Amino acid sequence: DGGITQSPKYLFRKEGQNVTLSCEQNLNHDAMYWYRQDPGQGLRLIYYSQIVNDFQKGDIAEGYSVSREKKESFPLTVTSAQKNPTAFYLCATLSPGGNQPQHFGDGTRLSIL
Amino acid sequence: AQSVTQPDIHITVSEGASLELRCNYSYGATPYLFWYVQSPGQGLQLLLKYFSGDTLVQGIKGFEAEFKRSQSSFNLRKPSVHWSDAAEYFCAVGAGGGADGLTFGKGTHLIIQP
Repeated sequence: DGGITQSPKYLFRKEGQNVTLSCEQNLNHDAMYWYRQDPGQGLRLIYYSQIVNDFQKGDIAEGYSVSREKKESFPLTVTSAQKNPTAFYLCATLSPGGNQPQHFGDGTRLSIL
Repeated sequence: AQSVTQPDIHITVSEGASLELRCNYSYGATPYLFWYVQSPGQGLQLLLKYFSGDTLVQGIKGFEAEFKRSQSSFNLRKPSVHWSDAAEYFCAVGAGGGADGLTFGKGTHLIIQP
């Protein structure tokens, strides 16, 4: 069953701790993306990767880090430098071939204890 | 830099009535435009997309959208809404055809009255 899997669905973090959100895909898509969603703010791009071992900063990369060691995986680490990490985080992939839409996972909700 | 404006934060429509959700964009080149729908606590589902060609595009669930370059708009329409259409709707424009990420509007929350 092809798709994008984000885990866990809910995540809690203590202040000062780093936390890593998982995004795995079996769609064989090259490009992957991380977005942050806050109430009333829409989605904002954090990082994206168009190929393994390469990634680019989006509009709100400060306080976040990523890696892309495998085509299937694009984990996002929310570091202690991110001052307001409570949000809904969405991972997406882009179908290859040009003129294609992005496809989204079901998201991870991160909360600060 | 590109931007998307969805002027209506909330819209309430009676079941069976027609619907139009507004979207205005700012983009320097030919825009790649999308409408997505989101149910509470879920990811986004693509309703329709525009890249080029016919300015009236058909999507899933009976939705359509019309691209108007002169007005920088990409409004979403449905002739008759169903209670299951209640959700959050997002308009987005793609940089690099979407390969460099999407810029989203802030969304319109659709409420369906019985």
